[in-house]
Amino acid sequence: NAGVTQTPKFRVLKTGQSMTLLCAQDMNHEYMYWYRQDPGMGLRLIHYSVGEGTTAKGEVPDGYNVSRLKKQNFLLGLESAAPSQTSVYFCASRGLHAQYFGPGTRLTVL
Amino acid sequence: QQQVKQSPQSLIVQKGGISIINCAYENTAFDYFPWYQQFPGKGPALLIAIRPDVSEKKEGRFTISFNKSAKQFSLHIMDSQPGDSATYFCAASAQGAQKLVFGQGTRLTINP
Repeated sequence: NAGVTQTPKFRVLKTGQSMTLLCAQDMNHEYMYWYRQDPGMGLRLIHYSVGEGTTAKGEVPDGYNVSRLKKQNFLLGLESAAPSQTSVYFCASRGLHAQYFGPGTRLTVL
Repeated sequence: QQQVKQSPQSLIVQKGGISIINCAYENTAFDYFPWYQQFPGKGPALLIAIRPDVSEKKEGRFTISFNKSAKQFSLHIMDSQPGDSATYFCAASAQGAQKLVFGQGTRLTINP
């Protein structure tokens, strides 16, 4: 039982490049979330999903897209990366009440 | 209304002391209050959680105190240890809500 896993752990992009971050959970949770964490800014919700095939915007969705084609996976895409998207990205899934976080992806955009 | 205000931003405590982190909220519909602990380079992990039907919940050295009338809740770490040095986030959600509302976090340092 791996919980929530994220791929990759680290990535460096050049401005304008695209990439996809993968989140997988094996707890059969319906709800999944993508957050970004910047120094002094806490956790900010980017997008979330309440079930397979659904997505919704969080508080900072601009510049990101998401897809939830399978219940266990939640993908976060950056179509044209910008330096402002340099951050640590966390995925989480939610059971009855508690959210369980992955180990994070550290993304640097040059 | 949806905010959770956390204080202090940073806290330094001597080993063996009591660490106290406070959170306040406005939304009276909130009915679930978890605390998360995050070590450097790791994801946040659920530490302890409370519902408003109790005023206190204790798990080992960690205690949540909840004051419904004041709309405040706090985390107390007794006999603080250097291994407790981490960032702590409080959060809240309402029944049926899809999202947690997080506080801004407190960076706790326990000096040996």
